[in-house]
Amino acid sequence: ETGVTQSPTHLIKTRGQQVTLRCSSQSGHNTVSWYQQALGQGPQFIFQYYREEENGRGNFPPRFSGLQFPNYSSELNVNALELDDSALYLCASSDGKLLYEQYFGPGTRLTVT
Amino acid sequence: LAKTTQPISMDSYEGQEVNITCSHNNIATNDYITWYQQFPSQGPRFIIQGYKTKVTNEVASLFIPADRKSSTLSLPRVSLSDTAVYYCLVGSPSGSARQLTFGSGTQLTVLP
Repeated sequence: ETGVTQSPTHLIKTRGQQVTLRCSSQSGHNTVSWYQQALGQGPQFIFQYYREEENGRGNFPPRFSGLQFPNYSSELNVNALELDDSALYLCASSDGKLLYEQYFGPGTRLTVT
Repeated sequence: LAKTTQPISMDSYEGQEVNITCSHNNIATNDYITWYQQFPSQGPRFIIQGYKTKVTNEVASLFIPADRKSSTLSLPRVSLSDTAVYYCLVGSPSGSARQLTFGSGTQLTVLP
């Protein structure tokens, strides 16, 4: 059974640029959630996708957007990057039955300069 | 949404049992309690989930008193590799995804 994978591992971008992060969910999982984790903080929920539809969104501006594909993999897009967007971005997948039983990927470390 | 309160940090020694308590005074009837573990630069890992009384798996035990206003994660005989941040989450398994909120967690440091 393949776990959750994310790419790239690390990324450096300049303020104002756009970035796309990718996530492959665990086999058999149809739900993907994205989180932002700043240094020393807990993960903050960005949004969740269930069978290609957005299924809940946290307090993040519209420049944070996402997609889920038919194979349940997912993308997180962030436009007009700001310095405060520097963080670890985590993707988690689940089978959609138990909201809290999620399996996280290793994350993408984004640095905005 | 049920607010949770955990100690910011705890220290323990190898071989000891560690108990981390989480307070959730406004827990709702349909809410479950879930604990995650996170190592530096890794995603959180699901440890255990429970509704009431006691749940045990190969990693930990979760104790929930009758009033469910708190819960205790118990790690038996910790080792150095158990040094991590532990998060307590409370919410309905069938609820809105907006409930998926991690607090600051408890930094557990296991000393030799």
